[in-house]
Amino acid sequence: NAGVTQTPKFQVLKTGQSMTLQCAQDMNHEYMSWYRQDPGMGLRLIHYSVGAGITDQGEVPNGYNVSRSTTEDFPLRLLSAAPSQTSVYFCASSYLAGLAYEQYFGPGTRLTVT
Amino acid sequence: KNQVEQSPQSLIILEGKNCTLQCNYTVSPFSNLRWYKQDTGRGPVSLTIMTFSENTKSNGRYTATLDADTKQSSLHITASQLSDSASYICVVSDDTDKLIFGTGTRLQVFP
Repeated sequence: NAGVTQTPKFQVLKTGQSMTLQCAQDMNHEYMSWYRQDPGMGLRLIHYSVGAGITDQGEVPNGYNVSRSTTEDFPLRLLSAAPSQTSVYFCASSYLAGLAYEQYFGPGTRLTVT
Repeated sequence: KNQVEQSPQSLIILEGKNCTLQCNYTVSPFSNLRWYKQDTGRGPVSLTIMTFSENTKSNGRYTATLDADTKQSSLHITASQLSDSASYICVVSDDTDKLIFGTGTRLQVFP
């Protein structure tokens, strides 16, 4: 199993440009989520999905869109990039193991918006 | 407000030594607490997950403790290795499965 994969690993955008961060998992997990990690702050939830066709907003959803057409893929779209979106983005997939969700993170995408 | 605070922010130890990282939380209602290891440039990897009824859990040289009464947890690393150099993140889940992340402790192990 490849686990959770993310592409690209690095990206530089200009203000106003749009792009899609790709995320895929091959573990057949129903639950997937996107986080951003900024210096001095804990990971913050952007959007999540509990299954194909179902998405919901997290803590910091503004400026981002998601869709979940298949169990495997959960892309994150930046509609009009802003310097405040400079961050490291992590995708995660989860499954319920007993009483808690076991979470697997991808390797991350480092995004710089100039 | 639900918060997770970790201390120290950073720590330097010599290879072979033990160390303990602290996590205090105010999350309520509490569901579970987990510790993640994050190597530089990589995603977090789960070390342990503890529910309300568990007060200690080990994963190799890593031992986590949980005191749900005082809302404190610790991660003890025994006989540290250079590969233990990483950030260690404490995460607490409430009863809606919402995860609240701490800012992490950056551990550096020197030979």
